[in-house]
Amino acid sequence: DSGVTQTPKHLITATGQRVTLRCSPRSGDLSVYWYQQSLDQGLQFLIHYYNGEERAKGNILERFSAQQFPDLHSELNLSSLELGDSALYFCASSGEDRGAPLHFGNGTRLTVT
Amino acid sequence: GQNIDQPTEMTATEGAIVQINCTYQTSGFNGLFWYQQHAGEAPTFLSYNVLDGLEEKGRFSSFLSRSKGYSYLLLKELQMKDSASYLCAVRATGGGNKLTFGTGTQLKVEL
Repeated sequence: DSGVTQTPKHLITATGQRVTLRCSPRSGDLSVYWYQQSLDQGLQFLIHYYNGEERAKGNILERFSAQQFPDLHSELNLSSLELGDSALYFCASSGEDRGAPLHFGNGTRLTVT
Repeated sequence: GQNIDQPTEMTATEGAIVQINCTYQTSGFNGLFWYQQHAGEAPTFLSYNVLDGLEEKGRFSSFLSRSKGYSYLLLKELQMKDSASYLCAVRATGGGNKLTFGTGTQLKVEL
């Protein structure tokens, strides 16, 4: 168990809809990262938050947004969903040391129909 | 930007040794990580290298050559449960602590 909690485990929704994915980091970790993993692609970095502030942004679509709250949990909002958004969405957290690994949650499997 | 290359697939025999290679190009290298990922599950951390040389951790070892932009993961005494995808990831300076991942090497361990 990585200590990172993600909910829900599965989401099935229709095109055009909006969903929210939730993540609680490991105790003590201030950084939260969101990644997308599609069948034909590797883990794609979306966004990184540190202690409530956006730290880095990857190839995140404008339809997607995220935030990190004062209690350090994070939410990833996906709107105007398209079939191609179907993927596994992982949240990870880490410490701040140079060698600190990312610890991943079990992911949310999103299916857009 | 960063570019990470790994073989797509490898097959090995139970009890044998397998080496999974990774080459990378990055500006401002700040560490290389290896992860294991079983299908549909979360990636789990295996090893970290930031200096040249070999890091050993039980049946798993990882090697880094910064001048060549090259790393490998060595798995000894292969077991069936080692069948998984192995992901090479690079951390660059100035990007926070995020990792950029390669597409992974799918390892199949056969009897």
